[in-house]
Amino acid sequence: SSDLTQDPAVSVALGQTVRITCQGDSLRSYFASWYQQKPGQAPIFIIYGEDNRPSGIPDRFSASTSGNIASLTITGAQAEDEADYYCNSRGRGGNHVVFGGGTRLTVL
Amino acid sequence: EVQLVESGGSLIQPGESLRLSCAVSGFSVSDYHMSWVRQAPGKGLEWVSVMYSGRVTYYADSVQGRFIISRDNVRGTLYLQMNNLRDDDTAVYYCARTHCSGGSCYLNYFDYWGQGTLVTVSS
Repeated sequence: SSDLTQDPAVSVALGQTVRITCQGDSLRSYFASWYQQKPGQAPIFIIYGEDNRPSGIPDRFSASTSGNIASLTITGAQAEDEADYYCNSRGRGGNHVVFGGGTRLTVL
Repeated sequence: EVQLVESGGSLIQPGESLRLSCAVSGFSVSDYHMSWVRQAPGKGLEWVSVMYSGRVTYYADSVQGRFIISRDNVRGTLYLQMNNLRDDDTAVYYCARTHCSGGSCYLNYFDYWGQGTLVTVSS
């Protein structure tokens, strides 16, 4: 299956660490990338590959992969990190893209 | 500066056709793989289609046979021709550029996105 599964919602206390996971068979073959999306805005590219951040993305965002689970970790969550987070990977022989259902992060 | 600007979204009836455009600047549309990604109201992201830099195309099963992706290198524009539209095609449609580094481009790494254009299919 090329489906990616994410927890629908996660919460974290301000300044604490939170991990958002993404599970799927395709992650055994392809690295995930991660996106942050706030209401009414386009997604923002925040993590790709093994653990790479595009320019301008704070280093409190990091990623890892183990088997068929990719994880996004926010170390010291800030109020502005409250958003929806999506993972994606490749599917169907590598020429399709599949997204996870998204995780809504609440910062308490 | 890299920019992607979508246009063409509107209210349209089921069964009709619509063409979306994505005008790019700051890079050449022919040098990158370019995708369309959509998001139904209140729902998650769904990949729709890709055109590789070499013009090979792929589609999600949900749009295969109804949508056609194309590009105009001179105009620097990506298109999505949507035919036989259905209610469940209602969504914000984003164009997105594939990230390239070290001479390789990675299909599922979308480094730049447009602001999206809303397509509403309803009678």
